[in-house]
Parts: sequence; C-alpha cells; structure tokens
Amino acid sequence: KAGVTQTPRYLIKTRGQQVTLSCSPISGHRSVSWYQQTPGQGLQFLFEYFSETQRNKGNFPGRFSGRQFSNSRSEMNVSTLELGDSALYLCASSFGQGAQGTEAFFGQGTRLTVV
Amino acid sequence: QQQVKQSPQSLIVQKGGISIINCAYENTAFDYFPWYQQFPGKGPALLIAIRPDVSEKKEGRFTISFNKSAKQFSLHIMDSQPGDSATYFCAARSRDSNYQLIWGAGTKLIIKP
Repeated sequence: KAGVTQTPRYLIKTRGQQVTLSCSPISGHRSVSWYQQTPGQGLQFLFEYFSETQRNKGNFPGRFSGRQFSNSRSEMNVSTLELGDSALYLCASSFGQGAQGTEAFFGQGTRLTVV
Repeated sequence: QQQVKQSPQSLIVQKGGISIINCAYENTAFDYFPWYQQFPGKGPALLIAIRPDVSEKKEGRFTISFNKSAKQFSLHIMDSQPGDSATYFCAARSRDSNYQLIWGAGTKLIIKP
C-alpha cells in the first residue's frame, strides 16, 4: 500500500508570493489533515478535510486555505507569503470515519522556505 | 479545554536507562491517546496508543501508563537505545470535535551512548 505522498518536497518562495502544496492520501482514506511544524514547535493544526468538506479548522489566518478533491487528494494554499511561513508542512491521512480509523499516517512533508 | 500539555520539552537519557515523557489533559471527551515518534526529516509515525478503559499498554520496550482520575498519561521507554533518539508527541482524540487529534508540544529525546 502506497503511503502518503506530498509534493513538492522542497520549495523556496519570495515574500508576497503564493504557494500550493499537494497531498495524496493513502488509498481508501477520506480524511486529510494539514499541520505546520517549525523548529522547536509542535504540530500546529491547520485544517482537516473529509469527503471534500472542511471538518475542522485551526487558528491560522485566512491566507491559509485548502481544499479536497473527489479522489481525496488535497491541496493547501498560502497566499501573500511571509517570512514566518517558513516551515515544514505535513499532511496526514486517515480513514476518518467517526471513531474508527483515527490513526493518522503522515507524509514526509514539504519544506517551505520564504525569502 | 482542548489542550494536551506535554513535558519535558527535551530529555537526555543514558543508554540503557528509562525515558519517561508525561502528558496531561482536561477534556473528558478525549477517548483515545496515541503517541507518535518523529525522526528528523520524516513525518511522525504512530508508536503506541491506549484507550481510557485500560491503565497500561506495553509493546516491546514501550509502555503507556494511563491515569484516568488524574487525567494524565505517560510514555515509558525501557532500556533506551540511541536509535530511540527522536521527537515524541502525545495526542488525544476529541469526541467533541469530529474525533480530531489534539497534540502535545513534543519532547526531543536524546539517548547518550
């Protein structure tokens, strides 16, 4: 079974630009969650999508947005990039159906550097 | 309170020693408590998990101890090895929030040879 695939692995962007990150979950998984991880920080929850609907949302500004497609693939977009957005962005997929299938499987992340 | 408080932030243990990481919560709607292990350059991976109707779960050298009345749970790593050096995250699943996982801040564990 293929794992969670995140693309690209590394990205360098300039302040003010926008960026789109992609996540392909494990086949059969319908929930995709996004996290921001900075050095010394934990996992900051961005949002979760389940069956194309945003189900949970963290405390990030509106510059951070996401969507999920009918095949469960998800994209995360950050507009008007700031230096502080430099981080490892992790995607996690899970079966996500109610109390079952909560185990989250993480991708290797996209390392975003804003210069 | 949708929070999980994890301590310590960092931990250094000698090879062969016991590593102990603690987490505390307040929300009684949490019903599943996993621990994740993250190596540099990798995403976190599930290590071991426990449900609140069990006080202890052991898998190899890794044990979760759960104290429901105190709302605390901890990870014990017995006979710690240099290969255990990683960042460990506790989490709790919230029935209140569509079974969202609420994460602790992480503990960076270093095992000295």
